[in-house]
Amino acid sequence: IAGITQAPTSQILAAGRRMTLRCTQDMRHNAMYWYRQDLGLGLRLIHYSNTAGTTGKGEVPDGYSVSRANTDDFPLTLASAVPSQTSVYFCASSEFPLNTGELFFGEGSRLTVL
Amino acid sequence: GQNIDQPTEMTATEGAIVQINCTYQTSGFNGLFWYQQHAGEAPTFLSYNVLDGLEEKGRFSSFLSRSKGYSYLLLKELQMKDSASYLCAVRDKDYQLIWGAGTKLIIKP
Repeated sequence: IAGITQAPTSQILAAGRRMTLRCTQDMRHNAMYWYRQDLGLGLRLIHYSNTAGTTGKGEVPDGYSVSRANTDDFPLTLASAVPSQTSVYFCASSEFPLNTGELFFGEGSRLTVL
Repeated sequence: GQNIDQPTEMTATEGAIVQINCTYQTSGFNGLFWYQQHAGEAPTFLSYNVLDGLEEKGRFSSFLSRSKGYSYLLLKELQMKDSASYLCAVRDKDYQLIWGAGTKLIIKP
């Protein structure tokens, strides 16, 4: 049982480059989320999708875009990376509307922008 | 604005009991969650409270007082593997999760 798979697990990227973080889940969850986690701050929601074909903006969406073409995949794209986007990125999924409160997280993607 | 407060770091002794507090101010309330996160790993779900009172699950218990905007996570019979960060999160009126910065718990032998 894979759960949620993220790729890459770690990446160093030059500023200005385009980068896509991949996220795939095999639990058939309706909702998927992208968070970033920075030292001393709580998880911050970047974008979310409550169901395939729909997406929404979270707390910190600027500089990021997402798509949800099907139930399983939810890629996050940085169009032109900047150093402030250096962070650990977590993809998560859940049943919508999150009745039990359980988010299932991927193992994270550590991104460094130089 | 919305705010979740937790202590940054706590230290406890193996075998002892520790209580991690969380206070919140949010736009509405639709449940409070605790997650555990070991260093370098993903968060994992521990507990969910939506009504006032204590929820017990093995060595871990979580308490909620909605009128006080307060919760705590109680860990009993501490083990070295309990060394981790503990994240408090509140679901607001729009069903979005607001996260605290987490409490790093250090267990000493």
